[in-house]
Amino acid sequence: DIVLTQSPATLSVTPGDRVSLSCRASQSISNYLHWYQQKSHESPRLLIKYASQSISGIPSRFSGSGSGTDFTLSINSVETEDFGMYFCQQSNSWPHTFGSGTKLEIK
Amino acid sequence: DVQLQESGPGLVKPSQTVSLTCTVTGISITTGNYRWSWIRQFPGNKLEWIGYIYYSGTITYNPSLTSRTTITRDTSKNQFFLEMNSLTAEDTATYYCARGEGLLPLDYWGQGTTLTVSS
Repeated sequence: DIVLTQSPATLSVTPGDRVSLSCRASQSISNYLHWYQQKSHESPRLLIKYASQSISGIPSRFSGSGSGTDFTLSINSVETEDFGMYFCQQSNSWPHTFGSGTKLEIK
Repeated sequence: DVQLQESGPGLVKPSQTVSLTCTVTGISITTGNYRWSWIRQFPGNKLEWIGYIYYSGTITYNPSLTSRTTITRDTSKNQFFLEMNSLTAEDTATYYCARGEGLLPLDYWGQGTTLTVSS
């Protein structure tokens, strides 16, 4: 199975900061990497597909980049509603797997 | 609007079998190019993809769970199901059903149903 390693595990930020979350794959997955946000007691919500493609209804401050094994989710000017968990997921090979998550918290 | 809703017993004993239901509204589970999936999230937040049933009826399981997992559907009720046997405490998790188009990521999720395996 492909292992996705997310870092950092926890990120403490101030509203207005620009943040970058990392996801590293154990082998090349091309651009088959997607990002989800999960707020407390809610289901995950798709933010970015295929590493960098935007999703309808998701604020433009969220962007993604990367290919191969190294990927980044960036949030330009974090808002209070952005705090929660962020997961990456690969669909390059079955079983599709998720990263362990990054918790974005208020400093 | 597409909606998914999970339901289940909540609490089961070790070694028992559980059946979970996902009721889909707003779209037929037999149309389009959709995969209807089961995902679980353990305490501590780890996510695991259990398997999925395609609109055509084709089923694929996570190899780590295939020996004790069955996914089925009832097209007349627009529902699909997850059955898992030989449960242990390690199966305690929140179970989600979700939709993805083809190999696209999951764009609609249910709210999840919590399953606790305990005597």
